[in-house]
Amino acid sequence: DIVMTQSPDSLAVSLGERATINCKSSQSVLASSNNKNYFAWYQQKPGQPPKLLISWASTRESGVPDRFSGSGSGTDFTLTISSLQAEDVTVYYCQQYYSVPYTFGQGTKLEIK
Amino acid sequence: EVQLLESGGGLVEPGGSLRLSCAASGFMFSTFAMNWVRQAPGKGLEWVSCITGNAGRTFYADAVKGRFTISRDNSRNTLYLQMSSLRAEDTAFYYCAKADVNVGSCPSSVDYWGQGTLVTVSS
Repeated sequence: DIVMTQSPDSLAVSLGERATINCKSSQSVLASSNNKNYFAWYQQKPGQPPKLLISWASTRESGVPDRFSGSGSGTDFTLTISSLQAEDVTVYYCQQYYSVPYTFGQGTKLEIK
Repeated sequence: EVQLLESGGGLVEPGGSLRLSCAASGFMFSTFAMNWVRQAPGKGLEWVSCITGNAGRTFYADAVKGRFTISRDNSRNTLYLQMSSLRAEDTAFYYCAKADVNVGSCPSSVDYWGQGTLVTVSS
């Protein structure tokens, strides 16, 4: 199984500042057949299902604010929130869908400093 | 508007069985793979199973393989998860989740989620 490890487990950032969450996979999730990273980021607010933010490592979903961006390839990925807003304070998960089981990271809790 | 409505959760004793259903609407159900993802209360997300759009292939997490069966009825736009030999560690919210990519195959992120149905395994 591919193990997804997020860092940090929790992060405190001031409003308006940049927030960076990292995710490392134990194996590459980059497919040589199509040069795509089978990797996604989700946001989950309390009492709600997760929301897809980024797919294919860097493709922002429709309606997701452009302050959210995804980067990385192979085994190392980053979610960046360029200017933290109050509504961004919640938990974020990464996921690989390269191989079964489609594993998630343990989650990163983002808080206001 | 895409809607996914899970049902069938509840309290079951260890060793028991339960069948979850997910009624889908707002998209061409048969052309998308579908997943079940679970989340124990206060814990992280765990992918459980995926079924291709034409139901030709199914995939499972090791933790549920041999005990859970995913299926779908494309004529009814409904996804199912038959759970048997349930254990305390299966206690979780179970989310029905639609694959993002319209190719019917499983490797995909999830773009729509239901609200979840709670399964509690306890005596």
